[in-house]
Amino acid sequence: GQNIDQPTEMTATEGAIVQINCTYQTSGFNGLFWYQQHAGEAPTFLSYNVLDGLEEKGRFSSFLSRSKGYSYLLLKELQMKDSASYLCAVMDSNYQLIWGAGTKLIIKP
Amino acid sequence: NAGVTQTPKFRVLKTGQSMTLLCAQDMNHEYMYWYRQDPGMGLRLIHYSVGEGTTAKGEVPDGYNVSRLKKQNFLLGLESAAPSQTSVYFCATKYQTRDTGELFFGEGSRLTVL
Repeated sequence: GQNIDQPTEMTATEGAIVQINCTYQTSGFNGLFWYQQHAGEAPTFLSYNVLDGLEEKGRFSSFLSRSKGYSYLLLKELQMKDSASYLCAVMDSNYQLIWGAGTKLIIKP
Repeated sequence: NAGVTQTPKFRVLKTGQSMTLLCAQDMNHEYMYWYRQDPGMGLRLIHYSVGEGTTAKGEVPDGYNVSRLKKQNFLLGLESAAPSQTSVYFCATKYQTRDTGELFFGEGSRLTVL
């Protein structure tokens, strides 16, 4: 079966750095996505990785290791507005997205 | 430029009632999707469409029907609602290419079935 695993909840301090991990087992691989979802709102696209390595976009970076079936999302200089759920999704061999259950990130002052 | 609009935003149904959720997009996207989101679970694909007049089943299609008569609209129907269909429903769209994958989501429709 296909499976995406990520921690249910994480807590971090404003101004700090946090790393959210995602491991996956899917039928084929055509890219990994991270989305941000604030409570009661729609998911919004953060990043896309299809090759191994780190993609940086401002305070957010996403890393991929295809051989390990592993990705992480790194958030730097945390702000209160970063409190949200972070969804990991993998595009399988049929170009369908398989979604993780999401990681709820709580930022404390 | 509204993007992706879902109606209604909230609805309460009794078991056995029927209803239709409407997704409208003004981005000229070919691909449209209906997902449901439940606590502790990832988004699950109900049905999707790769273009006007076409629909296909996703991971959890039972109890739902869809239609895409116009490119800009994707309708999700519940013929006989059940409590298990209590969920938040999201419509999403994508331009065309299979390999980029960035989805644009509507604001969601919260459905409660009593």
